[in-house]
Amino acid sequence: IQLTQSPSLLSASVGDRVTLSCKGSQNINNYLAWYQQKLGEAPKLLIYNTNSLQTGIPSRFSGSGSGTDYTLTISSLQPEDVATYFCYQYNNGWTFGGGTKLELK
Amino acid sequence: EVQLVETGGGLVQPGRSLKLSCVASGFTFSSYWMYWIRQAPGKGLEWVSSINTDGGSTYYPDSVKGRFTISRDNAENTVYLQMNSLRSEDTATYYCAKDVLWGQGVMVTVSS
Repeated sequence: IQLTQSPSLLSASVGDRVTLSCKGSQNINNYLAWYQQKLGEAPKLLIYNTNSLQTGIPSRFSGSGSGTDYTLTISSLQPEDVATYFCYQYNNGWTFGGGTKLELK
Repeated sequence: EVQLVETGGGLVQPGRSLKLSCVASGFTFSSYWMYWIRQAPGKGLEWVSSINTDGGSTYYPDSVKGRFTISRDNAENTVYLQMNSLRSEDTATYYCAKDVLWGQGVMVTVSS
């Protein structure tokens, strides 16, 4: 399964609602996770199984989707959210999206 | 709390071998598949290998098939990645994973 993330670069302002997309080449059956990676750090798990929030992750992060189309939403962008975000499917094999780099406008 | 601690990284010459280890704690290790994932500097993420609970089934992408071997010791709560015939393109941070949870990673640099 190939994963396509869009956009590859997103500029937004503090307080904005931000939506990141991840589209699979086949049905992912909700076996999709989202990771946040800040510069020089290991990826951090945010969301698993499409919409389950990992312990300790702020509630402004949420996930949704089904079939081939999935979304990560940040309800109110904070400065510390500047990072690259990856989606990951584990339904059929194990593959990653190319990432969305989120920056402040 | 799940903990995954990778060791064994370092600088190695092209064509040589290196073995990574990952010690797991905080869960029943023998009940879970385990994985290795890597990230080349400045690049995206790539799944490297998977192993089932008893070690009887292993999986690899074409990029490492025939060169890398994943194995596990359920008595020691450890998963390994034996990397042979290393290439410059294998330079990356290697992460051990249990389901969607990852360790902090270990750096492997392949260079002469």
